[in-house]
Parts: sequence; structure tokens; C-alpha cells
Amino acid sequence: GAGVSQSPSNKVTEKGKDVELRCDPISGHTALYWYRQSLGQGLEFLIYFQGNSAPDKSGLPSDRFSAERTGGSVSTLTIQRTQQEDSAVYLCASSLTSGDPNGYTFGSGTRLTVV
Amino acid sequence: AQKITQTQPGMFVQEKEAVTLDCTYDTSDPSYGLFWYKQPSSGEMIFLIYQGSYDQQNATEGRYSLNFQKARKSANLVISASQLGDSAMYFCAMREVNTGNQFYFGTGTSLTVIP
Repeated sequence: GAGVSQSPSNKVTEKGKDVELRCDPISGHTALYWYRQSLGQGLEFLIYFQGNSAPDKSGLPSDRFSAERTGGSVSTLTIQRTQQEDSAVYLCASSLTSGDPNGYTFGSGTRLTVV
Repeated sequence: AQKITQTQPGMFVQEKEAVTLDCTYDTSDPSYGLFWYKQPSSGEMIFLIYQGSYDQQNATEGRYSLNFQKARKSANLVISASQLGDSAMYFCAMREVNTGNQFYFGTGTSLTVIP
């Protein structure tokens, strides 16, 4: 597709359940990022994938969070045993390379609500 | 210390007037890039403009220009001839070349254009 696609666009889940969020980056983009945006806040870095290199997981807030990227394309962010503080918009972005001066192309995000 | 600081949580501007959105940054890396993104109510992050730390001239993209004052570590966004469609959240971001893995985002400024 022409842009970064994220699904679902909205997810409501019960506290304690696991959720999976999907990101389909722009074809050919080697770099993929996940960010979290809480209400009224800026973007919080979660994880970064670059090609076949080991991902930079330094932003993951706890071991309940994990992400994988299969075949250098689609990525899935998994949150286990969700908590209310996990409620946020999860944004995925991709770029040609990590050094692309034109920045990232973002998806529209997944709004996660934990009740 | 905050990498990116945006001190204006909300701004109002009259249609057709110019507006400046403030951004200051903090880095010891001599090589970095500065970015502005627009986030309308739909949630998608839209790349607006980029300024490299070694660029001699201020970046311009249509009605957007970046007032880059390196010694003051400021990268203010100027929007000329504001339009109603400019109403959105605006985020300033920085990428340090020597880390390269993530963007640091400010907390954003909400701009409202008044007809």
C-alpha cells in the first residue's frame, strides 16, 4: 500500500487480557518503529527494527511488552496481561533507513483502551 | 533533562495571520536533525519540515519555515497565512545521528485557527 497501515484502529480489552497490534510498513522501508502516545503527551519510543539487525528494545516499559517483525516487513506489538495504564494510542512508523532525513511515515495508530 | 521542550500547550491564531510555535532542544551530539510533525484530529502524524544541524540556511516548505537558532538550541516553526485546516497538534522532534535509533518528541502544541 501507499502508506503505513495499522490494525485494528481501535481496541477495547479487559484488564489482564493479551492484545496484538499490527503494523504493515511501506514496502521497501527497512526501518520500523513503535511509539506510544498517552493522552495529552508526546510520543514515547518503544522499539525499533532495522533490517535483519537485532531490534532496539530499550523503550519497552516492561517485560509484558514484546514485538516482532517477520520477514523484514509486518510487525506485531504484543502486550500481555494488559493494565489500565497501557491505554494509549500506539503508533507505528517506517522509513527507508534510520537516517532518512525526511523522517518517518506514521500510520494512523491503534487506540487501545483497557477497561 | 528533556531532549525537546515545547512550552506552548495551546495557541490561537487568526486565519491568514502568521504564527510561531516554539521548540527548544538539548543535545551534546554535534550532528542531529530537527523535525516538525502535524497531528490532526484523525491521529496520523504528518511530516512537515526538516532541519539538519549543519544546514546553513533555515528550512522552508511552502507556508512552513523553521527558524533555526543553533546557539540558542531553538527550532521554532513558523506557519504563514494560517488556514482553518492548520488546526491540529504540532510536535517538534529531534534525532541524534550518533544514536540514530529513535526520535525524541516534545509534548506538542495545540494550534487553533480562528476564522
